[in-house]
Amino acid sequence: EVQLVQSGAEVKKPGESLKISCKGSGYSFTSYWIGWVRQMPGKGLEWMGIIYPGDSDTRYSPSFQGQVTISADKSISTAYLQWSSLKASDTAMYYCARSSMVRGVIISFDPWGQGTLVTVSS
Amino acid sequence: QSVLTQPPSVSAAPGQKVTISCSGSSSNIGNNYVSWYQQLPGTAPKLLIYDNNKRPSGIPDRFSGSKSGTSATLGITGLQTGDEADYYCGTWDSSLSAGQVFGGGTKLTVL
Repeated sequence: EVQLVQSGAEVKKPGESLKISCKGSGYSFTSYWIGWVRQMPGKGLEWMGIIYPGDSDTRYSPSFQGQVTISADKSISTAYLQWSSLKASDTAMYYCARSSMVRGVIISFDPWGQGTLVTVSS
Repeated sequence: QSVLTQPPSVSAAPGQKVTISCSGSSSNIGNNYVSWYQQLPGTAPKLLIYDNNKRPSGIPDRFSGSKSGTSATLGITGLQTGDEADYYCGTWDSSLSAGQVFGGGTKLTVL
């Protein structure tokens, strides 16, 4: 079974750093892209960026470029999303999802991880 | 403001049919495949439809997708109470700020 398992919920203070993870199993981790999607409380889905673990090729949404860093360690089939200095407005649920890209275009996201809730509060 | 426009809510009775629209432009829906996702309360989104009208294995044929020009539609027949969820369309946007875009989501209520 193809599965993405994310790290647990986090509670952080503004200004702190954070790295959350997404571990893939049941498929060749280096043959698919992994995307990250934000969902703020009560709101819709926002694409943040995507990485190809095979060669670490990474693309960011213009809205998130410079705000977060996406990385991957193919030796342990794990992708990461990290912040260097959190803000209260980063409070949200974050999902990773497997994807395919054809001619530079994301086709779809399937499956999705269970989500990691990040709460940033003083 | 989402790049793709969906109605905030739709409702129908059990057993009935409902459609959810997703409106975009030539830089997104008009020239790229559309996917649809179902998000049940408190859970992660799940892929329902990809490549405009294809269903992943395990998705019942009560769910269907179509695309015409710069709009796409998700159809659900034989509504069940378990279909109550938020539904999102998604596609690639090839404009200057290229990337994956989603609709704002539609809350389906099965009365």
